Parts: sequence; structure tokens; C-alpha cells
Amino acid sequence: GQNIDQPTEMTATEGAIVQINCTYQTSGFNGLFWYQQHAGEAPTFLSYNVLDGLEEKGRFSSFLSRSKGYSYLLLKELQMKDSASYLCAVRSVTGGSYIPTFGRGTSLIVHP
Amino acid sequence: NAGVTQTPKFRVLKTGQSMTLLCAQDMNHEYMYWYRQDPGMGLRLIHYSVGEGTTAKGEVPDGYNVSRLKKQNFLLGLESAAPSQTSVYFCASSLVGQGVYEQYFGPGTRLTVT
Repeated sequence: GQNIDQPTEMTATEGAIVQINCTYQTSGFNGLFWYQQHAGEAPTFLSYNVLDGLEEKGRFSSFLSRSKGYSYLLLKELQMKDSASYLCAVRSVTGGSYIPTFGRGTSLIVHP
Repeated sequence: NAGVTQTPKFRVLKTGQSMTLLCAQDMNHEYMYWYRQDPGMGLRLIHYSVGEGTTAKGEVPDGYNVSRLKKQNFLLGLESAAPSQTSVYFCASSLVGQGVYEQYFGPGTRLTVT
């Protein structure tokens, strides 16, 4: 089985930087995804890491350490619209199929 | 492109009733998935399909059945609904393989079982 842990809730101030951590235990690791989900909406893709290191995309960056089973999503210059749930998903190879498993999500509240 | 669509958007069922949720995608994706999302539980995989005519169980398959008769459609059935199946159901699709191949999600179906 897989075990994926994220903090349940975080709060931050507009304009600040916030780091959302995700730790995982899995066999057959084949990539880690971050998704954003606003209340009442579907998740949308933010980032993907399969090799160790940092991937940067504008205000969002994601980091992966496979040896430590650890990833983080870094959000810079926070805006009110960044208030959402952030989902970490680990893809593993199971019986030849590539299947993602999601953590419980981190609810981020950005206040003025 | 419509992407991933789901029908219906909302539904209220009585305990014991049956229903089918329809998911359609127009991106020619091989993989399709059904998830349920409950408060504090994240997205949990019910069933998935790696291609037309194939289905497999996910993390929480009990009480649900699925079919993938056409590549673009993935149906989720509840034969005898129970209050524990009150949830938001998301369908998703993706390409196959080791690349980025992120999932694309439908807008969700909010199901209440009374």
C-alpha cells in the first residue's frame, strides 16, 4: 500500500511565501504530482516531479527527494486567489499500470 | 474540446435506489478513473480503466460497478445506494506512460443518499 501525508491546514498572509510538505512511502515510484482545488471545483494540475530537485513554474515551485520520500510545493508572492486545497499525488506502477494515489490535501487560507 | 464531462451534476437518491454516473472525455486518453471525495479524506480511487473493455478495482470499490465499452466513456454504477455513498464523485482521464501525463478532471457529481 501507499502512505501519503500532508498537513491538514495552513494559513499565510498575502504577499508571503508558504511551503506545503508531502511525505510518502510507496513501491514502484513513478512521479509525484501537485494539484490545486478551489472549493466546489475540480482539481487542476500544478506540477510534476520524477527526478530529484526543484521544478519552477512562475510563482509555484515543487521539490522532490526520492531517497527521503519527500516533496514540497512552494508558493511565492501569495495572492488571495491562492486560497484553495493543494493535493499531493504519488504515481506508482502496479501490475504494469501507472496509478496515482492522493494524499488528503492541505487547505491553504490566505488572509490580507 | 470539452475535456472531461460528467452527467449528472447533482442527484438525490433514496436508500436502495440505483443510478449510473456517466463520464465522457474527448482527448483520446487511454486511462480513466472514478474517485470519491469526502471531507477530510482527499480523493479516493473507486475503479479505474487502462483501456477500452478493461476495468480494475481501486482503493474503495465496494458497492460500485463500472464499465468501459467505448474508449471515450466510463460509467459508474450504484446498484443499491446507501447513505455512506453520499459524496462528490470525480471522473478523470489521462494519457499512459512515464511522462508528465497529468490527470484531467471532470466537474464532479454531488450525490446525496437519504
